[in-house]
Amino acid sequence: GDSVTQMEGPVTLSEEAFLTINCTYTATGYPSLFWYVQYPGEGLQLLLKATKADDKGSNKGFEATYRKETTSFHLEKGSVQVSDSAVYFCALSEGGNNRLAFGKGNQVVVIP
Amino acid sequence: NAGVTQTPKFQVLKTGQSMTLQCAQDMNHEYMSWYRQDPGMGLRLIHYSVGAGITDQGEVPNGYNVSRSTTEDFPLRLLSAAPSQTSVYFCASRRYSGDSGNTIYFGEGSWLTVV
Repeated sequence: GDSVTQMEGPVTLSEEAFLTINCTYTATGYPSLFWYVQYPGEGLQLLLKATKADDKGSNKGFEATYRKETTSFHLEKGSVQVSDSAVYFCALSEGGNNRLAFGKGNQVVVIP
Repeated sequence: NAGVTQTPKFQVLKTGQSMTLQCAQDMNHEYMSWYRQDPGMGLRLIHYSVGAGITDQGEVPNGYNVSRSTTEDFPLRLLSAAPSQTSVYFCASRRYSGDSGNTIYFGEGSWLTVV
């Protein structure tokens, strides 16, 4: 079935550092891909998405490009802030069943 | 903009007690679902519904019941709570169509502890 794999472990980095969170997926067709962010004590909210190959989603300085050839959707931000500390989830949705497959999430901690 | 509303936000239950987590959405979304979030496990789908009167099981349905009598509401029932059901629960909704790119909207979560 469809699945999403995120890199293991939390990510700790200093303010203004470059952030990359890896996400790869397995799907039988042509899924839509999403990044969701969860701030402490809150629900998940959409950060960005891409619905077809080579699309780039972007929001709040974050970017991710839908790479079909490598089945990846890595999240990047050039200069992180303390306020970017959160848990980030990669997800995919395929076909008409509207169900999402989520990665396990990555805790990002940005140190001043 | 209410979006997806969950209640209660926090609850402590004793083993064997029953309770219902409420979820309501005001976006006229056909698809609604319940997830639980546990450390190291990510989000796991409990039950979902694609419209009033239609429900189906997700990945971890045991110990939970749902019903969908209206488009707006999708309550989750724990009939006999167990410590293994200690978790954070999220309700979510989205438009149900052939477009896989529809955004899913989440509630703010319900923190449940079973002692």
